[in-house]
Formats: sequence, structure tokens, C-alpha cells
Amino acid sequence: DVKVTQSSRYLVKRTGEKVFLECVQDMDHENMFWYRQDPGLGLRLIYFSYDVKMKEKGDIPEGYSVSREKKERFSLILESASTNQTSMYLCATHPEPGNTIYFGEGSWLTVV
Amino acid sequence: GQSLEQPSEVTAVEGAIVQINCTYQTSGFYGLSWYQQHDGGAPTFLSYNALDGLEETGRFSSFLSRSDSYGYLLLQELQMKDSASYFCAVRDPASGGSYIPTFGRGTSLIVHP
Repeated sequence: DVKVTQSSRYLVKRTGEKVFLECVQDMDHENMFWYRQDPGLGLRLIYFSYDVKMKEKGDIPEGYSVSREKKERFSLILESASTNQTSMYLCATHPEPGNTIYFGEGSWLTVV
Repeated sequence: GQSLEQPSEVTAVEGAIVQINCTYQTSGFYGLSWYQQHDGGAPTFLSYNALDGLEETGRFSSFLSRSDSYGYLLLQELQMKDSASYFCAVRDPASGGSYIPTFGRGTSLIVHP
């Protein structure tokens, strides 16, 4: 089975802090994604990566950056956390070719 | 870009059949997928339709009509554990020959005893 592991399940951070959310997958998938999920808004794409060191902006990249130094690891960075970034963050992977998206368990971030 | 429309909430009773609809607008079509998400959990893959017609997997079936840009998820013999959010998703071509999954806003299914 594919395993997608997000390093932190629950975090509480202060406004202005730098926040790192880590995601590791064990199936050598090329594509990795970061989504945020908010009630009534579904899953919105923040950034994605289709290869090591490659990254592309999604629909809501403002306030975020990403890093993919190794194929199995895709990190989401909040340079200066703000309260409107309080949300659930989901990492996902997708083989190519393939039709199935595999998600991590999610990271619940609260910014106070 | 892509946009998907699905109802925000559906309620049903145990043992019943329920259908969750999804309409989409796409610049190119590469299949329709369905995902289930329980409260506090991660979405998990349920089904994928690339061609018109019905795909059946146990109690769950998924249907696609490409000419109508429409699909649905059919859940039969509903159980309490089916209470969850259900998302339809399509894929959008992106850089490097990859595809970006785009999701609907999700349908909350509430199953009553």
C-alpha cells in the first residue's frame, strides 16, 4: 500500500512564525501536491511538484512556498503565519500514469 | 481551467439508495474520479470513469456521461458508516506532462438509522 506521511497532525503556531509542514511518500511517485481544506470550500491547491526541484503554483499560493529536494519529500512553508492560514493541510501524491490520488492524514494548523 | 458542481448535502436512511451528482466544465477531459472522506480523516479513492457508462464496485457504482459533462456516485444498501463527505474530481493537464487534480466542494452524506 502507498503510504503518505505528514509529519505533524496538529500544530498551534503564533502569528508571524515560520511554519514547516513535511510530507514523505514511499512509492516513488513523480507528482506531489499540497492542498488546504476549509469548510464549504473543498480542497484548494496551493502548490504542486512534478519532479525534484520543480514546483508550480496552484490556485492559492500567496503566503506559501514549497521545497522538493528529494523525490520522496515535499515540504510546505508558511514564511510568516497569519490567522487566515488556520486550516487543514493535505499532502497528496499521484503516479504517472495513474488515476488514483493518495492523501496523507492531514495536518491541522491553528495560528493564534 | 476546471469547475465542478455537486450538492452540498444529501440525507438518507439506512438501507436506502442515494445518488450524488456531479457536473463539470473542463477545457479537456481526462476522466472523473470519486473520493470519500470521513470526519477528521484523509480522502480515499473510490472510483474512476474514463468512458461513458456505469462502473460497479460492491455497493458503490459510478456513472459518466461525457456528452452531458455529468456523472454520479450511487451508494446502495446504505450503512451508517457511509456518512462522510464525497468529492468528485477531474484532471487538468499541467507542466511536465503531469496532471493536476481539481475537486468539487464535496457532498456531505448523512445516513440516519
